[in-house]
Amino acid sequence: GQQVMQIPQYQHVQEGEDFTTYCNSSTTLSNIQWYKQRPGGHPVFLIQLVKSGEVKKQKRLTFQFGEAKKNSSLHITATQTTDVGTYFCASRSGTYKYIFGTGTRLKVLA
Amino acid sequence: GAGVSQSPSNKVTEKGKDVELRCDPISGHTALYWYRQSLGQGLEFLIYFQGNSAPDKSGLPSDRFSAERTGGSVSTLTIQRTQQEDSAVYLCASSPGNTIYFGEGSWLTVV
Repeated sequence: GQQVMQIPQYQHVQEGEDFTTYCNSSTTLSNIQWYKQRPGGHPVFLIQLVKSGEVKKQKRLTFQFGEAKKNSSLHITATQTTDVGTYFCASRSGTYKYIFGTGTRLKVLA
Repeated sequence: GAGVSQSPSNKVTEKGKDVELRCDPISGHTALYWYRQSLGQGLEFLIYFQGNSAPDKSGLPSDRFSAERTGGSVSTLTIQRTQQEDSAVYLCASSPGNTIYFGEGSWLTVV
């Protein structure tokens, strides 16, 4: 079945440093979504990418979808303590089923 | 309600007992999902519903797990003869077709 791998599993950064998490699949993805889960909370939708090579920005967050639609990245510029949490990518498998990546847990040191 | 509602929010049960977890999705959302998340782990897909039918039950870990959805709305996830490895957060989510909206989860502890 479709699997989506994320790297790294964990990342500790100093506040102000940049952070990137990568999502990789062996098969072509129809779309990619990104979610953020704060500690003790539930995943919250951030963004969806659909087109090959698509790039979207949300303030300090930049999302990219690879040209081959097999990988994606989330980059945070100048991290803040509010960025702490686990970031998941997810992709649709079939009509409605979504498979989530393994997640990257980000810790920001003040 | 405004969001996905789950109950109970916390449940401690003895090994071997049955538990029932309830999910009330966002009104009008046709798709409903159950995921499981063990402490510090990723999201494990369990089952999803489209309306009242469950096209994909492939993620249910064993025959002790079952789920149903009635009236295209409320869903219940039942775990029979609970085991300690069932301890996790059970997250319900609903979707109008694209974006997935998660509930706060039901934290299950089997002792």
